[in-house]
Order: sequence, then C-alpha cells, then structure tokens
Amino acid sequence: KAGVTQTPRYLIKTRGQQVTLSCSPISGHRSVSWYQQTPGQGLQFLFEYFSETQRNKGNFPGRFSGRQFSNSRSEMNVSTLELGDSALYLCASSLYVAATNEKLFFGSGTQLSVL
Amino acid sequence: GNSVTQMEGPVTLSEEAFLTINCTYTATGYPSLFWYVQYPGEGLQLLLKATKADDKGSNKGFEATYRKETTSFHLEKGSVQVSDSAVYFCALISISSGSARQLTFGSGTQLTVLP
Repeated sequence: KAGVTQTPRYLIKTRGQQVTLSCSPISGHRSVSWYQQTPGQGLQFLFEYFSETQRNKGNFPGRFSGRQFSNSRSEMNVSTLELGDSALYLCASSLYVAATNEKLFFGSGTQLSVL
Repeated sequence: GNSVTQMEGPVTLSEEAFLTINCTYTATGYPSLFWYVQYPGEGLQLLLKATKADDKGSNKGFEATYRKETTSFHLEKGSVQVSDSAVYFCALISISSGSARQLTFGSGTQLTVLP
C-alpha cells in the first residue's frame, strides 16, 4: 500500500509569488491535514479536510488556503509569499475525522524556500 | 489551550546507553498522547501512543506511560542504537471545541547516538 505522497519534494520561490503544494493520501483515507514545520516555531497545524470540506483550521493568515478533491487528494496554496513562509510543509492522512486515538500517516513533506 | 513541553536538546548518547526524553502537557478534556519520530529528510512516523491514563505505549524498545497525575508522557529506551538517531516529538490530541483532531506538538528533541 503506497504511503502519503507529497509533491514537489523541493520548491524555490521568490517573495510575492504564489505556490501550490499537493498531497495524495493513502488509498481509502478520507481525511487530510496540513502542518508547517520551521526551526523557530516547530510544527504548527494549518488545516484539515474531510470529504472535500474544511473541518478545522489553525491560526494562519488567509494567504494560506487549501482544498480537497473528490478522490481525497488535497492541495495547499500560499499566496503572496513572504520570507517567513520558508518551511517544510507536511501532509498527514487518516481514515476519518474520528476519535482522538486515530493514527495519522505523514508524508515526507515539501521543502519550500522563499528568496 | 493545549500545549506540550519537551526537554531541550540536543541529546547525545553512546550506543547502549539509557534514554529518557521528558514530556509534559497541558490540555482540556481527555487527551491522547503520542511520540513521533522524524529521521533526516523524512516526514514524521508514529512511534507509540497512549489514549488514557496509566496506558503504556511501546514500540521498537521505546516505552512511555500516560501519567495523568503528573501530566507527563516521558519517552524511555533501555539501550539505544545508532539507528535511533533522529528528532523525537511529543504530541497530543484533545477533543475540545474547535480543536478536535489538531495535533499539538512539542518542540522536538534531537537525539544523536554515537557508536
């Protein structure tokens, strides 16, 4: 069974540009969550999607948005990039938006560098 | 709100040494607790979990016990190997209004095991 796949693996952009990251969850998983990882702030929750609906959102500005398609694949978009958006963006999938003990499976992440 | 506090790193040990990484938490409701591990260049992998007080999670020789009275979930391993070198994250999920399913992570502890 293939794991969570994130593309691209690395991305370099300049300030002011926008970027779209992609995440394909494990087959059969319907929930996709996104996290930002930086040396200064650690791992922070961005948002979660289930059945094409955003179920939960972290404390990030509106420049960060996402969506989920009918096949459960998810995209995350960041507009008007800032230097501080440089980070590893991790996607995690699970079967459902369920109880607190459900296991999340993480992808290897997309490393975004903003110059 | 929810928070997780991990012991500061980095931690450097010799092979076969005993490992303890401290983790304490603050949460509303009844959190589930997790340890995740991140190897260089990879995403996070679930190492172990515990979903209620006094539960002991264990995997690959690592153990952690959910201590509600001390709000702690310390990670231990009796004999570390070079291959255990990675960053370890303590995390929790707690059902509370608006934050269900949002993993709250500690800052991570870098472990290096020397041969």
